Amino acid sequence: NAGVTQTPKFQVLKTGQSMTLQCAQDMNHNSMYWYRQDPGMGLRLIYYSASEGTTDKGEVPNGYNVSRLNKREFSLRLESAAPSQTSVYFCASTRKGGGSNQPQHFGDGTRLSIL
Amino acid sequence: DAKTTQPPSMDCAEGRAANLPCNHSTISGNEYVYWYRQIHSQGPQYIIHGLKNNETNEMASLIITEDRKSSTLILPHATLRDTAVYYCIVRVETGTASKLTFGTGTRLQVTL
Repeated sequence: NAGVTQTPKFQVLKTGQSMTLQCAQDMNHNSMYWYRQDPGMGLRLIYYSASEGTTDKGEVPNGYNVSRLNKREFSLRLESAAPSQTSVYFCASTRKGGGSNQPQHFGDGTRLSIL
Repeated sequence: DAKTTQPPSMDCAEGRAANLPCNHSTISGNEYVYWYRQIHSQGPQYIIHGLKNNETNEMASLIITEDRKSSTLILPHATLRDTAVYYCIVRVETGTASKLTFGTGTRLQVTL
């Protein structure tokens, strides 16, 4: 009963390093999302993928790239990490095309610190 | 998506009902009201959603006013485990990927 699995759970990077955050869901969901959450704030959408083979920008896409590898997996890449990208990153997924009132299911997050 | 307004914090005694208000005065006809909660630093957890009728599930009840400008999430018998940040979100169903816009939510503290 895994749901949405994110790896790693914690990571520390130096400024300028690159990294890929992994997300996988086992619920056969069509749509997947990446959010970031800064201290004391709500979640902000970075990128999303309505279905396999498509990706779109969210509210705060700058400095990130994504890949929808297959239906199960959606990765987030930081090409050149900056301290402003220190945050908790959450992946989510939802059934069908995201409509039909389907709720999003979230992973437990990746806590990323950039020094 | 319509903007929502929630009180920053609330307290509730264990065993009592917790009533969390949300104002969404600019909501449009096709926007749904969703509630999520976030316990400590975990990922948000879906609670309930509705369009215009009141809804109830095993976790909570959602009361939406007739003009749909506000709603209340009710946890009927709050426990310590319900201590969390509760987010009220209005979302339009586009038929493609839905996008949730999170505010800062209400921090509910359940006490003995």
